[in-house]
Amino acid sequence: GDSVTQTEGPVTVSESESLIINCTYSATSIAYPNLFWYVRYPGEGLQLLLKVITAGQKGSSRGFEATYNKETTSFHLQKASVQESDSAVYYCALGEGPGYQNFYFGKGTSLTVIP
Amino acid sequence: DAGVTQTPRHEVAEKGQTIILKCEPVSGHNDLFWYRQTKIQGLELLSYFRSKSLMEDGGAFKDRFKAEMLNSSFSTLKIQPTEPKDSAVYLCASSWGTGTYEQYFGPGTRLTVL
Repeated sequence: GDSVTQTEGPVTVSESESLIINCTYSATSIAYPNLFWYVRYPGEGLQLLLKVITAGQKGSSRGFEATYNKETTSFHLQKASVQESDSAVYYCALGEGPGYQNFYFGKGTSLTVIP
Repeated sequence: DAGVTQTPRHEVAEKGQTIILKCEPVSGHNDLFWYRQTKIQGLELLSYFRSKSLMEDGGAFKDRFKAEMLNSSFSTLKIQPTEPKDSAVYLCASSWGTGTYEQYFGPGTRLTVL
């Protein structure tokens, strides 16, 4: 079945350092799934950070970027310079596209940014 | 715009009790999802409705978990009877459609079963 694997946390980085959270996926029922990063800030609900539905494209939001790489089946989340306000739990997710109901989430990566 | 609302936010139940969790999706959304979230398993899909029709009943969760969508603006998740292993955060989410579309999540209900 389909699955998503991401960096196990917790991850701790200092402010202004770069960040990469790895995400790889396995999609057996559809060739090119839709890929998402969701985030849960402390005290808030899970919300969409960015999404990419076309292989080879890059999504970006709030200084974060992720590129849909179908060759390596990866969708790593990167940021050049993190801020304390980026401390949150990040989830990589796979959606099978129109007509399919299945949505798969990674287990989440807890990020703490030290000022 | 009102987001997804869930009640109650916290629930404590004795083993064997019946509990009902409630969810109101974003107005106009076609799809509604119930998830269970634990540290070990992460987010697990329990049920999925499309235009009020049950599309996914969660497989292994079928026996004691039952989700219903009585109308397009209200859904319930019943757990009967509860067991300590059901302690988790239960999330409701809604979406315009599947796969391509963003899911909007509620704040969750934290359930503790003693």
